[in-house]
Amino acid sequence: SQQGEEDPQALSIQEGENATMNCSYKTSINNLQWYRQNSGRGLVHLILIRSNEREKHSGRLRVTLDTSKKSSSLLITASRAADTASYFCATGPYTGGFKTIFGAGTRLFVKA
Amino acid sequence: DTEVTQTPKHLVMGMTNKKSLKCEQHMGHRAMYWYKQKAKKPPELMFVYSYEKLSINESVPSRFSPECPNSSLLNLHLHALQPEDSALYLCASSQPGLAGGSNTGELFFGEGSRLTVL
Repeated sequence: SQQGEEDPQALSIQEGENATMNCSYKTSINNLQWYRQNSGRGLVHLILIRSNEREKHSGRLRVTLDTSKKSSSLLITASRAADTASYFCATGPYTGGFKTIFGAGTRLFVKA
Repeated sequence: DTEVTQTPKHLVMGMTNKKSLKCEQHMGHRAMYWYKQKAKKPPELMFVYSYEKLSINESVPSRFSPECPNSSLLNLHLHALQPEDSALYLCASSQPGLAGGSNTGELFFGEGSRLTVL
């Protein structure tokens, strides 16, 4: 089952621009994670933000979490052609457990 | 390089065949997962093992049979599959929390096995 929606579904930008992707979810969560997937490959974990955190940074990545709106955003600054990939948010359940559920994903294309 | 290894990378099978997908990790993780991913869709959870015991089965048809022989290995046995089962099958691992009943967060994925059912 799918936890929520991601917006936009696809995004095309020029190298050097910033890319912002949004994720909404439906149920209470313990944490929210962002993953990257290059075409036909496995997923790579980017960053995890816990439900009691509002913002987190990792290199060129900035993640925000608004639990009142059940939404998160991923900002990639100064994008590079190598950032071209699909990006998924994933949520861990509030009650714990192993059910990490992925959102629909945003396909990012960065033009050199 | 991923620390979760999946074999084979590609598999083509007929609807009457029996085959298996294999997954191995040596990170000491005690939770292992199978996800199924169709083209341009997110991964969908199929099974979770925690400490070699089946913890979650997301109502997966019995033609998919998981097995966790030890803490490093996870298999997915395939039998009498349908063409609509063609997909990328992803294995992942994670470290359970102290109580063993939940995931601490990050999932480590393999590169997947691309399955085509004819």
